[in-house]
Amino acid sequence: GENVEQHPSTLSVQEGDSAVIKCTYSDSASNYFPWYKQELGKRPQLIIDIRSNVGEKKDQRIAVTLNKTAKHFSLHITETQPEDSAVYFCAASTATGNQFYFGTGTSLTVIP
Amino acid sequence: DAGITQSPRYKITETGRQVTLMCHQTWSHSYMFWYRQDLGHGLRLIYYSAAADITDKGEVPDGYVVSRSKTENFPLTLESATRSQTSVYFCASSEVPQGAGGYTFGSGTRLTVV
Repeated sequence: GENVEQHPSTLSVQEGDSAVIKCTYSDSASNYFPWYKQELGKRPQLIIDIRSNVGEKKDQRIAVTLNKTAKHFSLHITETQPEDSAVYFCAASTATGNQFYFGTGTSLTVIP
Repeated sequence: DAGITQSPRYKITETGRQVTLMCHQTWSHSYMFWYRQDLGHGLRLIYYSAAADITDKGEVPDGYVVSRSKTENFPLTLESATRSQTSVYFCASSEVPQGAGGYTFGSGTRLTVV
């Protein structure tokens, strides 16, 4: 099955700086890549997703890029704020798959 | 998000006991999933269901049983709880496996097996 690796496992940035989280996947048939944010003690919530027919997608301060050839995708957060502090999960899924395969998570801390 | 609820929120049980975690969704989503979340492992799929009476194993199904007699409910049973099953359990649902919006997760159940 699919194997999703996520790096780094922890990340600390100063408020206002950018943060980048990277994921790689193994199954070339994967074509849908969501990102989830999980605040402490809360449920994971979808923040952005991308399909394999596009290379980049933006939503205000967050963006996701996808490189199908290299089989990796990244989450970019600009102008970070303390409320961005959370655990972020990437995931991958194939068109015929019934499930998402999640990365192991990145704990992001934004230092005021 | 209130459309998917899990109960109980917290549970402490003893080794060897049977325990059932409940999941209920009000959207009539076809797909439902059970994940466990452990430090260093992220979210791992236990079981999923594509429709009522259709269930399938995920990555870590051993020691768990599921049923789905009604579309809205997807209970997860630990037949004989072990300490290794101490975890946070999340239920999720979606209309299609990778439809726009991905999964919607419940609030989770923190299970401790002593």
